[in-house]
Amino acid sequence: ETGVTQTPRHLVMGMTNKKSLKCEQHLGHNAMYWYKQSAKKPLELMFVYNFKEQTENNSVPSRFSPECPNSSHLFLHLHTLQPEDSALYLCASSQDLGPFTEAFFGQGTRLTVV
Amino acid sequence: AQSVTQLDSQVPVFEEAPVELRCNYSSSVSVYLFWYVQYPNQGLQLLLKYLSGSTLVKGINGFEAEFNKSQTSFHLRKPSVHISDTAEYFCAAGEGNMLTFGGGTRLMVKP
Repeated sequence: ETGVTQTPRHLVMGMTNKKSLKCEQHLGHNAMYWYKQSAKKPLELMFVYNFKEQTENNSVPSRFSPECPNSSHLFLHLHTLQPEDSALYLCASSQDLGPFTEAFFGQGTRLTVV
Repeated sequence: AQSVTQLDSQVPVFEEAPVELRCNYSSSVSVYLFWYVQYPNQGLQLLLKYLSGSTLVKGINGFEAEFNKSQTSFHLRKPSVHISDTAEYFCAAGEGNMLTFGGGTRLMVKP
């Protein structure tokens, strides 16, 4: 138990569906992240939030829309996805931003787009 | 920008044997290095980190890593592995506001 909880753990959605991934951290951290983990590819950073403000968008397609209502919650809204978007989506948090800050990861949401 | 290379995608090893998982990073002004482990169907968990100071870093579960600036390496080692060490291991480098991850090494411990 890392203190970062992601729901749902598994999600199957059609290409025309709209769904949302949820992440909640109970660690009092100020920064939150979305990562994409695809088979045979390195972990890809998608978005970074610090004190609810987005600080990084790593050229992510607009069909992925993040939302950070407060420092404890992070959402990833999904719409009109493609099969190649199937992956494990990991949420993480850290006390602050910075290159030396340890990130705590959730267990991930396994997304399958059909 | 940093890049992190893990040369071995898979490392099979017998139980109780020693293991080394290799990691090389691109040089940078400041280097902050991490090893994470991912067990099946789990998120990533920090094993150890190098921020400064002693080049030999000890982590959880009996793992250690050595920072070698001249070879730009941060290899992970364990003198005797267990079946429970079977997992994917990720090396990462910190720069700016992000971690750059290597491609991962799958450690497969056989009885």
